[in-house]
Amino acid sequence: QSVLTQPPSASGTPGQTVTISCSGSRSNVGRNIVNWYQQVPVTAPRLLIHSDNHRPSWIPDRFSGSKSGTSASLAITGLQSEDEGDYYCATWDDSLNGVVFGGGTKLTVL
Amino acid sequence: EVQLVESGGGLIQPGGSLRLSCGGSGFSVTREYLSWVRQAPGKGLEWVSVLYSGGTTYHADSVKGRFSISRDTAKNTFYLQMNSLRAEDTAFYYCAISTGWPGFDFWGPGTLVTVSS
Repeated sequence: QSVLTQPPSASGTPGQTVTISCSGSRSNVGRNIVNWYQQVPVTAPRLLIHSDNHRPSWIPDRFSGSKSGTSASLAITGLQSEDEGDYYCATWDDSLNGVVFGGGTKLTVL
Repeated sequence: EVQLVESGGGLIQPGGSLRLSCGGSGFSVTREYLSWVRQAPGKGLEWVSVLYSGGTTYHADSVKGRFSISRDTAKNTFYLQMNSLRAEDTAFYYCAISTGWPGFDFWGPGTLVTVSS
């Protein structure tokens, strides 16, 4: 069972907007920055969002992050077929003294 | 451009030891946060270890006392020494680096470690 809670699955049709949530606690999401990672099948993960809501230069602006209290969210607008894959949130946990990941959300583009 | 590549994975018996290496180009082991993350087949991501540029290390509870992380500045390579391996350590192991913490800005393609008799 993961310290950060994500929905196991999400789906949408091309062009739609999908939001993936990440719920934690005061010792992790509530106190530290949240990053999001995308993993398409049979490849290594890649950074999507860092520091709650900042995109690396190579990530399209269809991807955005937000955080409020002990919950964070990833939004994907203008959904495309290549967005299919697994999405993970992650942050530092002050109680565990380590990085914690969410269990991952499998995104399907219908 | 940052490129990372892991090496050293393979099949190892329970109780055995293995050392993974992470090298490449476009980064410096003295400036970045150096990490290892693993993923058991069909499972999610699990952070393993980090080495800060100043030398501080942290490890996940699941590997504490068995795994250690280090670097070789001359070779610009960092390592994960894995001792007392267990079946539950079977996973793809990814090395990752970042300029800020916590974070994994760039990842290697991964190397598979299989612990089995």
